Order: sequence, then structure tokens, then C-alpha cells
Amino acid sequence: NAGVMQNPRHLVRRRGQEARLRCSPMKGHSHVYWYRQLPEEGLKFMVYLQKENIIDESGMPKERFSAEFPKEGPSILRIQQVVRGDSAAYFCASSPGWGVPYEQYFGPGTRLTVT
Amino acid sequence: QKEVEQDPGPLSVPEGAIVSLNCTYSNSAFQYFMWYRQYSRKGPELLMYTYSSGNKEDGRFTAQVDKSSKYISLFIRDSQPSDSATYLCAMSLNAGNNRKLIWGLGTSLAVNP
Repeated sequence: NAGVMQNPRHLVRRRGQEARLRCSPMKGHSHVYWYRQLPEEGLKFMVYLQKENIIDESGMPKERFSAEFPKEGPSILRIQQVVRGDSAAYFCASSPGWGVPYEQYFGPGTRLTVT
Repeated sequence: QKEVEQDPGPLSVPEGAIVSLNCTYSNSAFQYFMWYRQYSRKGPELLMYTYSSGNKEDGRFTAQVDKSSKYISLFIRDSQPSDSATYLCAMSLNAGNNRKLIWGLGTSLAVNP
């Protein structure tokens, strides 16, 4: 039973380019969460999605960031016009449904470097 | 003030020692308290969770929650070199659509053979 998959594992972008991070949840999971980890700030919640629906985007920056979880295919976190401050590890987690918070299972992360 | 405070360490102990890791928090509405382990360049892995107050034991690991003091602890007995990792506490309200985890910074632990 494959766990949460994220790709790419490493992504390098120049300032001003777009970054697309993909997350395939565990089999049978219909809810996805995105978190960002910065060395001095720790893990921060970004967005919580159900298929075709954003449940909670209270942690998403107001500009340049968007997320989707379509009916078919992986969840996508999109960062437009990246800046150096976007360099971080981005983790996706999935859960089976309207469960409890500890049922979030994490992927290995995508490490974004903006040059 | 951060919602969850955790001393980042680093903490270095000899093999076999008892390790105590702690977090404090400010939001009395938190209901779920989790401890995760994160190895370098990997995603967080759930170790233990506790709902509301009390103690929970799983093998060499014991989690404690003291809601009156807004203080949680993780104890590791008979620590092993393989326990060397960053330990993160996380908390959640779990109210309605609010499932997000609020994290401490993590404590880096090294267990020396």
C-alpha cells in the first residue's frame, strides 16, 4: 500500500518562474493538506482540500499561491512568480476523510530552491 | 507569542538514557496533542497522539498532557542511536472544518552510542 507520494522531490526555479508541486494521497484518502517548512519557522499549515473543494485556506499567502485537488489526479500546489523567500520544504499529508487530526499521513516533501 | 513553543535544542544524550521532550502552548482550546519524529530530509512520522489530558504509553515512549499548565511531554526510555531525529509536537482544535495542525519548531535529538 503506497504512502503519500510527492513529486518532484527537488525543484529548482529562477525568480519569477512558476513552481508546480504534486501530491498523490494514500489510496482511499480523499482529503489533502499542504504544509511549508522553513528552518527558523518550523512547519506551517497552508491549505486543506477535499476533492474539488477547498475546506480551509487560512494559511495560504494571499498572492501567487493556489492549490487544487481535482476529481481525478493529484493535488497541485502552484506558486507563481517565485521569490527567494519561497525556498522551503513543502509537505503534503492525506487523511481518509472527516477523521481526527492525527490521521494525517505525510509524504516525503518537495524541496523548492529559488535561485 | 507563538501558539506552540518548543526548545529546538540540540539535545545530546548517551545511549540508554531517558529523554524528556516538552512543548508549551497558549490556546486552551486545543484538544489533540501529537508527537512526530522527522528524520533528515524526510516527512514527519506520527509517534503518538493524546486526546485531551492524561498519559499514554507505547513501548519505550510515553506522552503526557497537562492541560491545566498547557504543557505536554514525550519521554523516551532506553534511548537508542536510531532515535536520533527531530521531534515535533503538534496540536489541533479539531472543530468543524478546522483540522490543521499547529506545530512546535522541533527538538533535535542525538543519541550517542
